[in-house]
Amino acid sequence: ELKVEQNPLFLSMQEGKNYTIYCNYSTTSDRLYWYRQDPGKSLESLFVLLSNGAVKQEGRLMASLDTKARLSTLHITAAVHDLSATYFCAVEGSSGAGSYQLTFGKGTKLSVIP
Amino acid sequence: EAGVAQSPRYKIIEKRQSVAFWCNPISGHATLYWYQQILGQGPKLLIQFQNNGVVDDSQLPKDRFSAERLKGVDSTLKIQPAKLEDSAVYLCASSPRLGMGGPYRETQYFGPGTRLLVL
Repeated sequence: ELKVEQNPLFLSMQEGKNYTIYCNYSTTSDRLYWYRQDPGKSLESLFVLLSNGAVKQEGRLMASLDTKARLSTLHITAAVHDLSATYFCAVEGSSGAGSYQLTFGKGTKLSVIP
Repeated sequence: EAGVAQSPRYKIIEKRQSVAFWCNPISGHATLYWYQQILGQGPKLLIQFQNNGVVDDSQLPKDRFSAERLKGVDSTLKIQPAKLEDSAVYLCASSPRLGMGGPYRETQYFGPGTRLLVL
């Protein structure tokens, strides 16, 4: 059974600071997603990481994937208040029924303080 | 392009009552998913459809939950009878390709969700 662990689960940081969210998973996978969820809203896709060593950047967020270590990171550079949200990583695994499914971590609730 | 539509947005029921949720995926999307998101947790897959067929329902509590996707477009998820622990947000998602291996796996697009409270 695929398990996905994120840490930290809660993160309070000051504007302008840098920080990293970690996502570990238990079985082999070569596809990982990062989603953002604002309070009361649905999930918005941020990044899809497709292979070992993949790195993607959008604004102040950068995501990377190390499939050998079964680790993905989401790095926040010079945080701003608008980045306050809950961030989920989701790992793709085979359902055993010939299709693929996502297993989500518990999420990291990020609060950026002015 | 219109997103994934869900209704109702909120529902409050008493335990042992029945409830149904509706989802209309993005036009042309072959794969449809229903997730349960309990407060403070990540979404958990309940059922996955490919066109109008069930691909995987291994995590669906079949004694009380049922789902269908007639004509391979919109879908309904039903709970009968509801329990207190069913209180959660029910998310519907769709992806444009068949959820199969190879180069055709695609990002899932999520609807706004239905927030269910069982009293």
